[in-house]
Amino acid sequence: GDSVTQMEGPVTLSEEAFLTINCTYTATGYPSLFWYVQYPGEGLQLLLKATKADDKGSNKGFEATYRKETTSFHLEKGSVQVSDSAVYFCALSIQGAQKLVFGQGTRLTINP
Amino acid sequence: DAGITQSPRYKITETGRQVTLMCHQTWSHSYMFWYRQDLGHGLRLIYYSAAADITDKGEVPDGYVVSRSKTENFPLTLESATRSQTSVYFCASSLPASSYGYTFGSGTRLTVV
Repeated sequence: GDSVTQMEGPVTLSEEAFLTINCTYTATGYPSLFWYVQYPGEGLQLLLKATKADDKGSNKGFEATYRKETTSFHLEKGSVQVSDSAVYFCALSIQGAQKLVFGQGTRLTINP
Repeated sequence: DAGITQSPRYKITETGRQVTLMCHQTWSHSYMFWYRQDLGHGLRLIYYSAAADITDKGEVPDGYVVSRSKTENFPLTLESATRSQTSVYFCASSLPASSYGYTFGSGTRLTVV
């Protein structure tokens, strides 16, 4: 079945460090890919998305590129801030199927 | 205000009681979803709805009931609450295209004692 695998957390970095959170997927169809962010005590917010191979989604300094050959959608940011501390979820949806499939989430903590 | 609203924000109930969690959206999104979030399990789909009067089971539907008489509302009822249903519940809505993703509510933290 369709699934998403994220790197296990928690991840702890210092401010201004480079961030990568790995995400790989298995899908029977041709998925759209998403990153969601959940700040403490809040619901999930869409961070970025990509709907076809080689697309790059970007928002708030975060980027992720849809790599069909490696079935990956890794999240990157060049210089993290304390305010980026949150849980990050990778997700996919298959064309024609409305349900999102989520990864387990990666907790990110940024220390000043 | 436009958006997706969940109520209550927090709820404590006793084992065996019926409890209903409310979800209201103002975008007229056709799709609505209920998820529960638990440590170690991530997000798990309970029920979803493609339109008014159309609902379907997700991954973990046992012990829950949903209805959708109006497009904007999608209440989730725990018929007889159990401690294992202690969780954070999120409602979400979406347009009918897989490339849009979801919009989530702020969640309801439910504790069953």
